[in-house]
Amino acid sequence: KAGVTQTPRYLIKTRGQQVTLSCSPISGHRSVSWYQQTPGQGLQFLFEYFSETQRNKGNFPGRFSGRQFSNSRSEMNVSTLELGDSALYLCASSLNRGEKLFFGSGTQLSVL
Amino acid sequence: QQQVKQSPQSLIVQKGGISIINCAYENTAFDYFPWYQQFPGKGPALLIAIRPDVSEKKEGRFTISFNKSAKQFSLHIMDSQPGDSATYFCAASTPRGNQFYFGTGTSLTVIP
Repeated sequence: KAGVTQTPRYLIKTRGQQVTLSCSPISGHRSVSWYQQTPGQGLQFLFEYFSETQRNKGNFPGRFSGRQFSNSRSEMNVSTLELGDSALYLCASSLNRGEKLFFGSGTQLSVL
Repeated sequence: QQQVKQSPQSLIVQKGGISIINCAYENTAFDYFPWYQQFPGKGPALLIAIRPDVSEKKEGRFTISFNKSAKQFSLHIMDSQPGDSATYFCAASTPRGNQFYFGTGTSLTVIP
C-alpha cells in the first residue's frame, strides 16, 4: 500500500507570493491533518480535514487555508508569504479521527 | 504555550547504552501518548504509544513509562544502536480530537 505522498518536495518562493501544497493520503484513509515543522518548535498543528470538512484548526493566521476533495486528497494554501513561513510542512493521514497518524515526507518551503 | 514539554533537546549515548527521553504535560484530558521517530529527510513515524490506563508498555527495545499523577511519560531505548540515531518526538491528543500536540523533539546520537 502506498504511503502518504506530498508534492512538491521542495519549494522556493519570495515574500508576498502564495503557494499550494498537495497531499495524497493512504488509500482508504479519510482524515488528513497538516503540521508545520520548524527547528526548535517541533510540529505545530495547522488543521484537520475529515470527509471534506475542516474539523479542527490550529492557531495560525487566516493566510493558511486548506481543503479536502471527495477522494480524500488535500491541499494547503498559504497566501502572502512571509519569511517566517519557511518550514517543513507535513501532511498526515489516518483511517479515522483520533487514530494513528501516518506522515508523508513533507514539503520543504523556503521563503526568500 | 507548549502543551507538551520534552527534554533533553539532544542526547548522546554509547552503543549498547540506555537512551531516556522525558515528556511532561498539563492537560489532564489527554488520553493518547505516542512517540514518533524521524530520520533526516523523512516524516515522523509512529514508534510506540500508550494510553493512561497502563503505566508501562514495551515493544522490543522500546519502552514507554507513564506516570499519570505526575503527568509525565518517558521513552526508554534499551541497547541503543547507531541506527537509532534520529529525532524523537513525544505527543499527546484528546479523546475526540484529531489534533496532536508535539514536544519540541530530542536529537539522539548513538556513538558506535
